[in-house]
Amino acid sequence: QVQLQESGPGLVKPSETLSLTCTVSSGSISGDYWSWIRQPPGRGLEWIGYIYYSGYTNYNTSLRSRVTISIHTSKSQLSLRLSSVTAADTAVYYCARALPDGDNVWFDPWGQGTLVTVSS
Amino acid sequence: SSELTQDPAVSVALGQTVRITCQGDSLRSYYVSWYQQKPGQAPVFVIYGKNNRPSGIPDRFSGSSSGNTASLTITGALAEDEADYYCSSRDSSGSHLDVVFGGGTKLTVL
Repeated sequence: QVQLQESGPGLVKPSETLSLTCTVSSGSISGDYWSWIRQPPGRGLEWIGYIYYSGYTNYNTSLRSRVTISIHTSKSQLSLRLSSVTAADTAVYYCARALPDGDNVWFDPWGQGTLVTVSS
Repeated sequence: SSELTQDPAVSVALGQTVRITCQGDSLRSYYVSWYQQKPGQAPVFVIYGKNNRPSGIPDRFSGSSSGNTASLTITGALAEDEADYYCSSRDSSGSHLDVVFGGGTKLTVL
């Protein structure tokens, strides 16, 4: 079963860029879609975007101007960059494999998540 | 973006059956998936499509859908089923490639 592990700074200053990495193990990053999803403390889930191993991306319309998702197949990693962060971007950030099924998409498995706090 | 609406909280007596619902216009066009999240843990994929369970998910979990409403049913709820449950589907408004999640339902097993 493929496993995912998020990593990156737990504290980012307002207006700066949040950068996270997700390492995929016990499976190949090639041939699949990979997604970032976040969850503000005490709140629900928000899809950020996904990337195909070839580099094709699709982002949440509300975040598109600030988000970049990249993939590094040789390292079995995907990364997330979110620019111009504010306190509203404080959340647990999860990476997950995205499984397209026709026009539908499911997410499985998920990484354990990493908390990023935006504060000066 | 379109919305998926869930009841904030639902309770069920131990061993009884509970239905958790998810409403939204996108469900008329797309299938839903359901995720279980226990405190301090990552979500777990429990139901997808018409009524499919990923490997390892107990058969007391089932799904159904009609019109703009999808349901997750737990038949014979166990204490370990106490968790937050989230529905998700494609977004049918604007960019159909977006994904949307419901606000989540906190299930309490009494």
